[in-house]
Amino acid sequence: QQQVKQSPQSLIVQKGGISIINCAYENTAFDYFPWYQQFPGKGPALLIAIRPDVSEKKEGRFTISFNKSAKQFSLHIMDSQPGDSATYFCAATKETGANNLFFGTGTRLTVIP
Amino acid sequence: DTEVTQTPKHLVMGMTNKKSLKCEQHMGHRAMYWYKQKAKKPPELMFVYSYEKLSINESVPSRFSPECPNSSLLNLHLHALQPEDSALYLCASSRTRTAAGELFFGEGSRLTVL
Repeated sequence: QQQVKQSPQSLIVQKGGISIINCAYENTAFDYFPWYQQFPGKGPALLIAIRPDVSEKKEGRFTISFNKSAKQFSLHIMDSQPGDSATYFCAATKETGANNLFFGTGTRLTVIP
Repeated sequence: DTEVTQTPKHLVMGMTNKKSLKCEQHMGHRAMYWYKQKAKKPPELMFVYSYEKLSINESVPSRFSPECPNSSLLNLHLHALQPEDSALYLCASSRTRTAAGELFFGEGSRLTVL
């Protein structure tokens, strides 16, 4: 059973546009929701993360929106750049105790000039 | 130093070979992980070490054998692998097991089994 569902599978955005990737989860015990960015030939890197006590977190051009009642969260990339072209994974875990990190299936983002 | 270093970057081996993947971190992290990643898929957890003790083995075949010699090093010993084991093997670390959401990944070892 997929603990975290992610869409779309792939996304093509024009330079300067907004990229939006959506994720949904079922387990209400999850309390930490990170996003990872992976470039081809590299390992994933933590990009930004949110906890359920806030509805939005912004770091530069990257914003996470969180809807606890809907059990959904999304990544918005403002002013998308060709250098943002990568695969993005949402994830979820429960911080208390030793729990695994559950990844979404990934979104391949291509930003065209 | 916020790096996780993996060697080798690429490895080609036959099904009868024995090889090892190595991982090193000097961030003082006490949890270390092995993940397997197939093309266009998310990383899949294989093993977790917490304070140098194996805490999770996600039903991985015995042809994969992890080892944690000390808090900075993690090895993955490979023996009698199958072609379907070809993948990117990622090492990661976190401050502790409870910080499993904040993983620092290495660049991976690309394994091809012939």
